[in-house]
Amino acid sequence: GQNIDQPTEMTATEGAIVQINCTYQTSGFNGLFWYQQHAGEAPTFLSYNVLDGLEEKGRFSSFLSRSKGYSYLLLKELQMKDSASYLCAVSPSSNTGKLIFGQGTTLQVKP
Amino acid sequence: EADIYQTPRYLVIGTGKKITLECSQTMGHDKMYWYQQDPGMELHLIHYSYGVNSTEKGDLSSESTVSRIRTEHFPLTLESARPSHTSQYLCASSGTGDHTGELFFGEGSRLTVL
Repeated sequence: GQNIDQPTEMTATEGAIVQINCTYQTSGFNGLFWYQQHAGEAPTFLSYNVLDGLEEKGRFSSFLSRSKGYSYLLLKELQMKDSASYLCAVSPSSNTGKLIFGQGTTLQVKP
Repeated sequence: EADIYQTPRYLVIGTGKKITLECSQTMGHDKMYWYQQDPGMELHLIHYSYGVNSTEKGDLSSESTVSRIRTEHFPLTLESARPSHTSQYLCASSGTGDHTGELFFGEGSRLTVL
């Protein structure tokens, strides 16, 4: 079956660093995506990993280990506006946006 | 900035009514999708389209239907709404190449069926 697991909730302090983990078991793998979704809004694309290693984009980084079926999203220098849900999603097949999503991790950033 | 639009944003209707949720994108994307999301739950793919006159059902069974007569337009229809259809419906599109999974989402249509 297809399964993506991530923690339901996390809390962190403004200015700190937080790591959101994601593990996956899917019938195929053609990339892992992270999306940010603020309450009541549409998800927006954050990052994409298809090869093992770390991808850095400003304050956000995403890591992938295909052999372990594991990814994490690292958020540095947390800001209040980073309070949102972070969705881990896997593309099981190529050339398609038919993604399998995890339930999302709700991150609360406190002053 | 994504150019994908959904209407209505919010809809409250009675059981048995026919409804159509509109979705349009101006990015020229061939691939379009409908995802369903219940509060606090994961998104589930219910329909997708690879291009004009191409539609297929997603992993989550849905009583809704879709059509793709024009590249930019991908409406979703429920012939007879029921309370079990209450949910948020998110339309998305994507381009081609390695980042095909980079979806551009609309703001969503939150449907409540009484």
